[in-house]
Amino acid sequence: NAGVTQTPKFQVLKTGQSMTLQCAQDMNHNSMYWYRQDPGMGLRLIYYSASEGTTDKGEVPNGYNVSRLNKREFSLRLESAAPSQTSVYFCASTPGQPPYEQYFGPGTRLTVT
Amino acid sequence: EDQVTQSPEALRLQEGESSSLNCSYTVSGLRGLFWYRQDPGKGPEFLFTLYSAGEEKEKERLKATLTKKESFLHITAPKPEDSATYLCAVQAHGSSNTGKLIFGQGTTLQVKP
Repeated sequence: NAGVTQTPKFQVLKTGQSMTLQCAQDMNHNSMYWYRQDPGMGLRLIYYSASEGTTDKGEVPNGYNVSRLNKREFSLRLESAAPSQTSVYFCASTPGQPPYEQYFGPGTRLTVT
Repeated sequence: EDQVTQSPEALRLQEGESSSLNCSYTVSGLRGLFWYRQDPGKGPEFLFTLYSAGEEKEKERLKATLTKKESFLHITAPKPEDSATYLCAVQAHGSSNTGKLIFGQGTTLQVKP
C-alpha cells in the first residue's frame, strides 16, 4: 500500500495563476482532508470530504475549491493564486469510523511569487 | 471554542535525558486525542490515540498519557533520532461524523548526542 500520495511535491506559481493539487489514498478510507501548514500557525483545515460525494469548508477555505472525484481521490484547486497561499499543503484520510486517526501524505510545498 | 495548546514550543535535550511534552486541551466532549511525529519536509506520522482519562500507550521510548484536561508525551532516554516536531490533536464528540481534528502548534524536540 502506498498510503496517501500527493502531487506535485513542489510548485512555484506567479500571482493570478491557477493550479490543482492532487491527492489519492489506497486504504479504502471514507473521509479525506486538505490542510495547510504555516510557521507558527500549525495545521489548519481548508476543506474536507466526510464521504464520497460530499465536501465541506474547514477553517480557512477562502481562495480554494475542492473536488472529491471518487472514493480514492480528493483534489484542491487554487483558481487565482496569491502570495498569502504560499504554504505547505497536506492531504489526509481516515476510515471515518473508529479508530479515527488521520493518515497524512508527504505534502506539497507551494510558493506564490 | 475547542482549543489545543502545546508546551514548550521547543525543547533541547541531551541524549539519555528524559523529559515530557505537554498538550492541554479544551473541547466540548473528547472523542479522542492523537499524537503525531513530523520530521522536516515530511507529513505527520501517526503515533498514538488516547480515548479516556487514565489511558496510557507506549511505543519504544515514547509513552503517552491522558487526563481530563491534558496529555503528556513522555520521552525516556531519548536518542538523536527522536528529534522531530511532535503534534497533538483532539477530536470532539460532535465531530465524529466528519472526523475533523483540531491541532496544536507542536513541540520541536532536538536531542543532542
